[in-house]
Amino acid sequence: AQSVTQLGSHVSVSEGALVLLRCNYSSSVPPYLFWYVQYPNQGLQLLLKYTSAATLVKGINGFEAEFKKSETSFHLTKPSAHMSDAAEYFCAVSDKSGNTPLVFGKGTRLSVIA
Amino acid sequence: EPEVTQTPSHQVTQMGQEVILRCVPISNHLYFYWYRQILGQKVEFLVSFYNNEISEKSEIFDDQFSVERPDGSNFTLKIRSTKLEDSAMYFCASKRDILNYGYTFGSGTRLTVV
Repeated sequence: AQSVTQLGSHVSVSEGALVLLRCNYSSSVPPYLFWYVQYPNQGLQLLLKYTSAATLVKGINGFEAEFKKSETSFHLTKPSAHMSDAAEYFCAVSDKSGNTPLVFGKGTRLSVIA
Repeated sequence: EPEVTQTPSHQVTQMGQEVILRCVPISNHLYFYWYRQILGQKVEFLVSFYNNEISEKSEIFDDQFSVERPDGSNFTLKIRSTKLEDSAMYFCASKRDILNYGYTFGSGTRLTVV
């Protein structure tokens, strides 16, 4: 079975500050890992994905995440927060087969303060 | 960019009533999914659908739920007799092939059962 834990249901940062959203996973098989973002009144949009290539994954809007097998983590970072980054962020895990559905975390709401 | 369209965006229904949530997946996608998120909880998998039949369903997807692809373009989720605990955001998703990183999500339908 697979699971995801996102630490912190709400994170608040100042504009220009580092963004760090934490995600830890549990998986009995090598995982595929994803970060999705949801802006108000919009669908879930894929930010980035780890599919067993490079462990440091770059996504859209300046976000990146690093897969650390030893720590079972896939934290999302951005060096400098922008007001437009305010949204809900979801970490998700799956396996390589494509047959199992995505398993999501509870989500972290990011607020950016001017 | 192609989108998954969900209607309505918000639906209020009385307990015991039937509701149908509608989704129009991307036209060349073959795999279809419903997920839901109860307020403050994880995004949970409900059901996957391929080749006009259910390929996998979760424990949540009991006999009161059904899915259908009635006309080759729409993908619907029916709840026969709604309960208060069915109140949630329901997301439709589709992907073109079996590989897991091709999901496109809709913007969701917020169902409120009163």
